[in-house]
Amino acid sequence: DTAVSQTPKYLVTQMGNDKSIKCEQNLGHDTMYWYKQDSKKFLKIMFSYNNKELIINETVPNRFSPKSPDKAHLNLHINSLELGDSAVYFCASSQAPKTSGVYNEQFFGPGTRLTVL
Amino acid sequence: QKEVEQDPGPLSVPEGAIVSLNCTYSNSAFQYFMWYRQYSRKGPELLMYTYSSGNKEDGRFTAQVDKSSKYISLFIRDSQPSDSATYLCAMSAGGFQKLVFGTGTRLLVSP
Repeated sequence: DTAVSQTPKYLVTQMGNDKSIKCEQNLGHDTMYWYKQDSKKFLKIMFSYNNKELIINETVPNRFSPKSPDKAHLNLHINSLELGDSAVYFCASSQAPKTSGVYNEQFFGPGTRLTVL
Repeated sequence: QKEVEQDPGPLSVPEGAIVSLNCTYSNSAFQYFMWYRQYSRKGPELLMYTYSSGNKEDGRFTAQVDKSSKYISLFIRDSQPSDSATYLCAMSAGGFQKLVFGTGTRLLVSP
């Protein structure tokens, strides 16, 4: 059973187009994330949702809009795609983070490789 | 300057070698220190984590955290070709604070 799944796996599109990436988790987690990994493998948080509420919103252009219809889904819509948006986008999920010394592991999906031409 | 610094490698070692991977960081609020492994074209997966300072061992892997030096390490004993991957350190202050990753070190273990 796939724990965190993303669709599509590959996305090739032209500059200026609008595209969406979907993410679903079947782990029963409350918290979901979107990360961007650039060509140098640097992985950076973009957004985080807890119980459908936005809790982390890094300095991401407002062309990127996450949407969480329910706790198991977190989608990412990107408007007016630019060359610099080319990257691998990872969705992740975890139980709600704690401050008690226990780390609730973030489980990552397989990634969506976005290429903007 | 990035919050977390990690040598990108690649680091090439023969099978059976002891591997040492390291990260330095600048944010003294970090309390949780993780090591993720990422195979090519896959998502990262957690290897181990340490809370605050100290050592943690899991099979062939040992994680060390020295908060006074803001330095963390991952040691891999008896390295195997299947250990060839990118190793990402990650840190957090805890709670809903974001997870900050290093750039990853690419490890190649040759038979």
